[in-house]
Amino acid sequence: GQQLNQSPQSMFIQEGEDVSMNCTSSSIFNTWLWYKQDPGEGPVLLIALYKAGELTSNGRLTAQFGITRKDSFLNISASIPSDVGIYFCAGSRSGNTPLVFGKGTRLSVIA
Amino acid sequence: NAGVTQTPKFQVLKTGQSMTLQCAQDMNHNSMYWYRQDPGMGLRLIYYSASEGTTDKGEVPNGYNVSRLNKREFSLRLESAAPSQTSVYFCASSETVKNYGYTFGSGTRLTVV
Repeated sequence: GQQLNQSPQSMFIQEGEDVSMNCTSSSIFNTWLWYKQDPGEGPVLLIALYKAGELTSNGRLTAQFGITRKDSFLNISASIPSDVGIYFCAGSRSGNTPLVFGKGTRLSVIA
Repeated sequence: NAGVTQTPKFQVLKTGQSMTLQCAQDMNHNSMYWYRQDPGMGLRLIYYSASEGTTDKGEVPNGYNVSRLNKREFSLRLESAAPSQTSVYFCASSETVKNYGYTFGSGTRLTVV
């Protein structure tokens, strides 16, 4: 079964607020990624992390690869309405295996 | 620049019918994937093809078959559809299995009645 536990399942926030979500696993992952899915579309890659402890930003988004290699988090600062969607964490345990995805965090932004 | 194209976008099947979901990519990627997305379950890997001529099972392969027709095309076949296969199906591709910048298609929404 799926090996990534993503939380929270859903969030309702006010426009302008910061958002934090995370992903944990009982197993070590060598790569962590965060994808966003807009309604009616396929997921799109936001940030990729390849080293334990790595902190990477992409505009208002910041993600970190946990030092234990068993977790990752994604922060969104100053949320805007277009941030609405489902955010998926994904990981790979080895270099030759496809990504495993979390169950997603559904984000709603109230203007 | 089409990226990954999936057809059809919507389909309704009766239990027991068969159908093939088509996927094509124009990025010269070596690896292709089929995922299904169900409410509250995220994306689960059905099958993947690391390179032309190879296919491997993912997490939920039962009830499905795949064909890597050539480097561009990777099809998913349901031989005898069941209501449990009602889902949104996504095809994705990447340069290699080690390259995680997957490009996803926009999905096929399948309903089995």
